[in-house]
Amino acid sequence: DAGVTQSPTHLIKTRGQHVTLRCSPISGHKSVSWYQQVLGQGPQFIFQYYEKEERGRGNFPDRFSARQFPNYSSELNVNALLLGDSALYLCASSEHNEKLFFGSGTQLSVL
Amino acid sequence: RKEVEQDPGPFNVPEGATVAFNCTYSNSASQSFFWYRQDCRKEPKLLMSVYSSGNEDGRFTAQLNRASQYISLLIRDSKLSDSATYLCAVNPNYNQGGKLIFGQGTELSVKP
Repeated sequence: DAGVTQSPTHLIKTRGQHVTLRCSPISGHKSVSWYQQVLGQGPQFIFQYYEKEERGRGNFPDRFSARQFPNYSSELNVNALLLGDSALYLCASSEHNEKLFFGSGTQLSVL
Repeated sequence: RKEVEQDPGPFNVPEGATVAFNCTYSNSASQSFFWYRQDCRKEPKLLMSVYSSGNEDGRFTAQLNRASQYISLLIRDSKLSDSATYLCAVNPNYNQGGKLIFGQGTELSVKP
């Protein structure tokens, strides 16, 4: 079975642009969470979706948004990119409200 | 005060050594606790869950101390392949299971 898949793996954008990151959870997992990890820090929670509904939001500005589709895949959108948005964006899926399994992430660089 | 705190290290230990990491959390109502391992520029991978009774998986032992609000990870007989960053993670609310609060991570380097 495939694990959590994310695309793209790497992305380079310039300030002010927007970006869409994609995630497909492990088959059968209905919960998807998004995390941002900057170098030297642990992952920081951005959003959780379960059964297409937002279940949680971290302390991120409104430039960050997400959604979950009927097949449980998810997109994370970031508008008006800032240099500080450069980070590894991780998607995680879980079957129930327990163990998270992470994808390999999208490395976003904002120039 | 950070919600979850770890000593960032690095911990430099020789092969075969025993090493222990602690992680403190501030929310006494936290429900679930985990240790993740992260290799450089890779995704975090679940190492083990942490239960009140403590749990062991081979050379790894995890313990939870609710009274003092910390979790620990003990690695015995360290291998070169154990070199990585170890992240502790806390779920503050079982009803919001996808939300984990991570510590900064502790870097471990095992030397020959």
